[in-house]
Amino acid sequence: GAGVSQSPSNKVTEKGKDVELRCDPISGHTALYWYRQSLGQGLEFLIYFQGNSAPDKSGLPSDRFSAERTGGSVSTLTIQRTQQEDSAVYLCASSLAAGSSYNEQFFGPGTRLTVL
Amino acid sequence: GIQVEQSPPDLILQEGANSTLRCNFSDSVNNLQWFHQNPWGQLINLFYIPSGTKQNGRLSATTVATERYSLLYISSSQTTDSGVYFCAVERYSGAGSYQLTFGKGTKLSVIP
Repeated sequence: GAGVSQSPSNKVTEKGKDVELRCDPISGHTALYWYRQSLGQGLEFLIYFQGNSAPDKSGLPSDRFSAERTGGSVSTLTIQRTQQEDSAVYLCASSLAAGSSYNEQFFGPGTRLTVL
Repeated sequence: GIQVEQSPPDLILQEGANSTLRCNFSDSVNNLQWFHQNPWGQLINLFYIPSGTKQNGRLSATTVATERYSLLYISSSQTTDSGVYFCAVERYSGAGSYQLTFGKGTKLSVIP
């Protein structure tokens, strides 16, 4: 596809369960970012990947959150032992090359996570 | 960290009217993006504009980096322009990334 895709589009889970969210970036984009959007906090950065490495994990809110990227492409964000405050829309973005004039970020449609 | 402030927070326009949205930021930035978040939540890229002026149809944007602000102009507004407009600034994090810091957005409602 031409754009960033994410799955699932919606996820409802029970408190304490683990969830995995998937992002497929635009083909050829080396930089990948995860953000989340919640009513109280707005849009906030979570983690950045350059290739398969994550040099910046400073936005992850707790050690229950982790992410990986494989083959310089697909990324998975995992939340363990979900809490109600994890409810938000999780957005993935990709760009051609970070740190250059080619860092325009393009966003996927998001995954809406609801923790009951 | 850097602060990004958008104004006004809410705006109601009659169809056909013009408007200006403002974004102020507290420190120097590498780049700046404007997005439109449609009613389905999708962030749509409008402009990638570190400085100067760009135009795309009825929309244009101006960034004055030395004075730390950017403006988004919407002319002859249409109901399909409704949604939330976000300004986001790009800075080197010091930890290897150039993530975006977003403002809280301007919610635009265009009424027929």
